[in-house]
Amino acid sequence: DSGVTQTPKHLITATGQRVTLRCSPRSGDLSVYWYQQSLDQGLQFLIQYYNGEERAKGNILERFSAQQFPDLHSELNLSSLELGDSALYFCASSSRTSGTRNEQFFGPGTRLTVL
Amino acid sequence: GESVGLHLPTLSVQEGDNSIINCAYSNSASDYFIWYKQESGKGPQFIIDIRSNMDKRQGQRVTVLLNKTVKHLSLQIAATQPGDSAVYFCAESGLYNFNKFYFGSGTKLNVKP
Repeated sequence: DSGVTQTPKHLITATGQRVTLRCSPRSGDLSVYWYQQSLDQGLQFLIQYYNGEERAKGNILERFSAQQFPDLHSELNLSSLELGDSALYFCASSSRTSGTRNEQFFGPGTRLTVL
Repeated sequence: GESVGLHLPTLSVQEGDNSIINCAYSNSASDYFIWYKQESGKGPQFIIDIRSNMDKRQGQRVTVLLNKTVKHLSLQIAATQPGDSAVYFCAESGLYNFNKFYFGSGTKLNVKP
């Protein structure tokens, strides 16, 4: 158990809908990362937050957004869903933003299926 | 969580043999690299990391080699065990800027008893 929790575990929805994925980082970790893992693109970095502030964006679509709250949990919002958004979405947390090592601890993931 | 059925290259080894998993990275400015292991039904798990000022780093049964000239990483697993069966990813980032991590496509390791 990594200490990172994600809910829900599974989510099935229809095209055009909007969903929210939730992540609680390990106790004390200030950084939260979101990743998408799909069949044809492997593990893709989406976005990172540190202590409530957005720090970096990767391959995140404009239809997707995220935020990190004062209690450090994070939510990833996916809107106008398309079939191609079906994937595993992982959250990871870390205690560092720079330095000698950055061990990210991954949650179990949320499997999103868009029908 | 679950692992997706990625169309990955597969390495099959016999239990007890050594395994070598390779990874080519793309950004010559990357100076921090990590190997992750993803078992079926779980999220990726940190195995070992290496900075660009090193060529080799050893952990418990694992060794990472870095060749910056050809932008190549390898993960060596000694005395491979059935529990090592998983998908292995390399990831690259900037050491002093951990804001972006880019993962390789992964290799599936299948250990035969």
